[in-house]
Amino acid sequence: SQQGEEDPQALSIQEGENATMNCSYKTSINNLQWYRQNSGRGLVHLILIRSNEREKHSGRLRVTLDTSKKSSSLLITASRAADTASYFCATDAWETSGSRLTFGEGTQLTVNP
Amino acid sequence: DAGVIQSPRHEVTEMGQEVTLRCKPISGHDYLFWYRQTMMRGLELLIYFNNNVPIDDSGMPEDRFSAKMPNASFSTLKIQPSEPRDSAVYFCASSFGYNNQPQHFGDGTRLSIL
Repeated sequence: SQQGEEDPQALSIQEGENATMNCSYKTSINNLQWYRQNSGRGLVHLILIRSNEREKHSGRLRVTLDTSKKSSSLLITASRAADTASYFCATDAWETSGSRLTFGEGTQLTVNP
Repeated sequence: DAGVIQSPRHEVTEMGQEVTLRCKPISGHDYLFWYRQTMMRGLELLIYFNNNVPIDDSGMPEDRFSAKMPNASFSTLKIQPSEPRDSAVYFCASSFGYNNQPQHFGDGTRLSIL
């Protein structure tokens, strides 16, 4: 089952604007990860935030995690056309078969030049 | 550094045929994962290996699916016999360690079963 649910499903913005994507999940997690997928390619890891962290930065990316609300957000600042891709959150949570990474359905981001 | 390498990139075959997908993980990585991505079900974990040993195959949909990892640098996912509903993009990923470690994905095999 898909634990992470991204919101919105699709987002279209102009170059230079900021893009915010949200992820909600249901169970306790060890960490939450964000990945990007360009059309026809594999997923690329962007950032990992552990359950005891609240915010993390990497270049133009900012990720927050609120474990009390079971939610995370990914902010891309000063977006570029090259940021056009699908973005997935993935939760690492212990299940009966051990820790496993469960991906959401993704947010399709389009950055218009 | 070479990433995860999958072959073939595209496969089109007729229903009932055997299909073999191949994966070469990143050298030194001890975990290998097979995923399937479809529009309807998103990205699903099929099976993963640690040090060449299958750890969790609960995501393998049916007995028609099997996966092997004969050594640290090679894994296969086999479907026999194939069915049209197996059409999807199959990804292989690898990681060094599991807890709190990112996974590195190949570019996938787009499989079409006619």
